[in-house]
Amino acid sequence: EADIYQTPRYLVIGTGKKITLECSQTMGHDKMYWYQQDPGMELHLIHYSYGVNSTEKGDLSSESTVSRIRTEHFPLTLESARPSHTSQYLCASSESGGGYTDTQYFGPGTRLTVL
Amino acid sequence: AQKVTQAQTEISVVEKEDVTLDCVYETRDTTYYLFWYKQPPSGELVFLIRRNSFDEQNEISGRYSWNFQKSTSSFNFTITASQVVDSAVYFCALRGFQGAQKLVFGQGTRLTINP
Repeated sequence: EADIYQTPRYLVIGTGKKITLECSQTMGHDKMYWYQQDPGMELHLIHYSYGVNSTEKGDLSSESTVSRIRTEHFPLTLESARPSHTSQYLCASSESGGGYTDTQYFGPGTRLTVL
Repeated sequence: AQKVTQAQTEISVVEKEDVTLDCVYETRDTTYYLFWYKQPPSGELVFLIRRNSFDEQNEISGRYSWNFQKSTSSFNFTITASQVVDSAVYFCALRGFQGAQKLVFGQGTRLTINP
């Protein structure tokens, strides 16, 4: 089981502010992911990374950006928050190698509210 | 394209009843992986099980059991003698073997166990 951490757990912020959601994992996983989820609804992949300096956009278009400078760290940034960004953001990580070992483990999530 | 359908949006049962959550998937991959995750009210996604497409053996873990049938493209999840702590949203997910190997989630089933 992966140890994966997200901060903050809850964030209430005004429109137009710049925010960064932090995600860190201590298992040395190469692959990391960001999902967006409205409460109780399905998850949508918005960003993923297969290693340092590698980032890709997911299936759901997002105004957020990500970076992967260190293996263990995968922050997500919103340059100018809007009410439409209100959602839960879940970070996940998995091993490389594909196949049987590639199970994604999730962090506790950040619940973002933009007023 | 890959797709996961959880037709049961919400299920409500009385404690100690058995309950089955349905999951139907679509994929053209011959090798693929199926997952179940639990999301309690606290919001994190908890990994429950992974099943490979070439292993149709059913699995039992305590009160949980999973029935994988390739012939009907289903991967159903049964909780025996349900408990209040089982109340959560449950997600079924599918990942192909090739390409970006992204997880595709179903819409989730909200399970409420009443005392």
